[in-house]
Amino acid sequence: DAKTTQPNSMESNEEEPVHLPCNHSTISGTDYIHWYRQLPSQGPEYVIHGLTSNVNNRMASLAIAEDRKSSTLILHRATLRDAAVYYCILRDWGETSGSRLTFGEGTQLTVNP
Amino acid sequence: GAGVSQSPSNKVTEKGKDVELRCDPISGHTALYWYRQSLGQGLEFLIYFQGNSAPDKSGLPSDRFSAERTGGSVSTLTIQRTQQEDSAVYLCASSSGQITGELFFGEGSRLTVL
Repeated sequence: DAKTTQPNSMESNEEEPVHLPCNHSTISGTDYIHWYRQLPSQGPEYVIHGLTSNVNNRMASLAIAEDRKSSTLILHRATLRDAAVYYCILRDWGETSGSRLTFGEGTQLTVNP
Repeated sequence: GAGVSQSPSNKVTEKGKDVELRCDPISGHTALYWYRQSLGQGLEFLIYFQGNSAPDKSGLPSDRFSAERTGGSVSTLTIQRTQQEDSAVYLCASSSGQITGELFFGEGSRLTVL
C-alpha cells in the first residue's frame, strides 16, 4: 500500500475552520484518497473520499493537489464533537473490490472551547 | 438494527481459554472486515471476507486466530489459547464490496486476558 504522512496532532478552536494535511507522494494513478475519523471509545467512521477533483459533503471538504501528492481535509467550523483521530488512507481501485483499508497513525485533533 | 452489531461488548477471560467474538454486519453488505486495536495504538487489519470466503487473511497474527462467515452474513472470530498480548478492542466493519464503498464499523468487542 502507498504510504501517507500526517502530523501527529493538531489543535483548533471551536467554530473555526480546520485544515488537516496529508502527504502521499508515492500515490499511484489508481489510488483513491479516503478519510476516516475515530472518536474516543468508538469505531472509525467514514468522512469523505476523492480521486482527482475536490469533494464536498455534509461533514467536510477534501482538497486534492493538482499532482495528487497531497490532500487536505477541511472542517469548515470545528465543534467539540470533531475532536478525534483523523486517518488519511489510500485505496487502490485497481485491486479486487473490497480490499482492505490500511490505517496509519493519523492526526489527533483537539478542539478547544 | 441498521448498523454493525458486535458481541460481546466486553469479555474478560483467563490466559489459555478460548474466546469467540461475533459480528453481525449491515444487511446486504457482502464485504466484512476484522481489525484489532491495542490500547493507544492504531488499527491492525486481521482478515477480510467477500461473501463467505476470505481472500485476504494475511493479518491474522498466529494460527490461534481463525474466523468464519456463514450465509454471507454473521462472522465469528475465534481466538484459541488466549494470551495476554491478545488483549485489545476487536473491531468489525462491513461494506457494500464496491471499491469506493465506505466501511461501517461496529462499536467493538473489548477483550481482556488476565
